[in-house]
Amino acid sequence: GQQLNQSPQSMFIQEGEDVSMNCTSSSIFNTWLWYKQDPGEGPVLLIALYKAGELTSNGRLTAQFGITRKDSFLNISASIPSDVGIYFCAGNSNSGYALNFGKGTSLLVTP
Amino acid sequence: NAGVTQTPKFQVLKTGQSMTLQCAQDMNHEYMSWYRQDPGMGLRLIHYSVGAGITDQGEVPNGYNVSRSTTEDFPLRLLSAAPSQTSVYFCASSRAGTVVIGGYTFGSGTRLTVV
Repeated sequence: GQQLNQSPQSMFIQEGEDVSMNCTSSSIFNTWLWYKQDPGEGPVLLIALYKAGELTSNGRLTAQFGITRKDSFLNISASIPSDVGIYFCAGNSNSGYALNFGKGTSLLVTP
Repeated sequence: NAGVTQTPKFQVLKTGQSMTLQCAQDMNHEYMSWYRQDPGMGLRLIHYSVGAGITDQGEVPNGYNVSRSTTEDFPLRLLSAAPSQTSVYFCASSRAGTVVIGGYTFGSGTRLTVV
């Protein structure tokens, strides 16, 4: 699959702080997706991006599809303890069905 | 609506044993897939299916077999378990036209340990 580089690998922050994570690809993607995985559960979709330059929000979450189509970022504002989990970027570079996933960013939030 | 159901939730196998991880969805999704999740490795695609009777290999297919005899079920078979197959396995499904727009629904996973 296509190589996705997600950073940072982990983050340890205090409640109320803003968080930023990003993902880069070695090739052009047509779709960027951001998922969150709670402990012991499967990933759940947070935000989907379909156009270069697109900026989309979902509550306190904001994600952007990079202009080069090779990167995306996810921001979380005013973090709360329930934001704890692993965040994955994922993308698709062709018309096939498979999604390629990044290695994840583990987020810990202290009260 | 149960969504994607995976069984069992936990399993311990001895090296060389065989077993089948079950996955069933009740959403009439055409596309189903299996991923494995290892620490620091993210989610890696094992096999996928775009419909009954059609399967294909993903990134890490060695040691695993799949079949898709019905739309609802997509079992993953380990013919001879190895310690390297210790992992958490996720099944996901989607309508065929929505896979790449985030339409995946994931099961809650099967945690497999091979000793």
